[in-house]
Amino acid sequence: DQQVKQNSPSLSVQEGRISILNCDYTNSMFDYFLWYKKYPAEGPTFLISISSIKDKNEDGRFTVFLNKSAKHLSLHIVPSQPGDSAVYFCAASALGAQKLVFGQGTRLTINP
Amino acid sequence: DAGITQSPRHKVTETGTPVTLRCHQTENHRYMYWYRQDPGHGLRLIHYSYGVKDTDKGEVSDGYSVSRSKTEDFLLTLESATSSQTSVYFCAISGAGGTNSYNEQFFGPGTRLTVL
Repeated sequence: DQQVKQNSPSLSVQEGRISILNCDYTNSMFDYFLWYKKYPAEGPTFLISISSIKDKNEDGRFTVFLNKSAKHLSLHIVPSQPGDSAVYFCAASALGAQKLVFGQGTRLTINP
Repeated sequence: DAGITQSPRHKVTETGTPVTLRCHQTENHRYMYWYRQDPGHGLRLIHYSYGVKDTDKGEVSDGYSVSRSKTEDFLLTLESATSSQTSVYFCAISGAGGTNSYNEQFFGPGTRLTVL
């Protein structure tokens, strides 16, 4: 039972354009959502998060959008840079659960 | 960066042998987690700890046990390794300063385990 799903295993975007990574969830108890970035041979690193009381959170080139009615969140990267090439995981937690549930990941490749 | 180390970083072992992976933190974080990463599955939680001697199962706990005898260390043991446990294992911590903030987790560099 995959509660957090990233349906696109990979995404290729040209440098300077917008990258949009998508994530869907099924558990209506999730109230906090995060995006992590992972380079090869390294551990994931926290990128940006959003609480369910918001529908948008922005940090520099990164913006996360949350659509609670659709149980969908997305990460926008503008403009995309070669260093953004990595695997991106979305994750979710429910209040009091003390743990995160991760999606399968999307490999983003930024082409020069 | 949160101070998290994992040891060993690489290990090759044979089916049926016991294996222990160690996660060590220097940040006094309350929560510690063990994940495995496999192609097509993302990061799956094996076990986690919410305090010394307090642990709970994750979604893929079968075949694994954990122990946390002090705040800094969280051990993951495969009692009898199988080929299906070949994976990359990540430790994570959260709850800075012993707080209840568990959402933003910091990950270690990972251990690549191969079971032949």
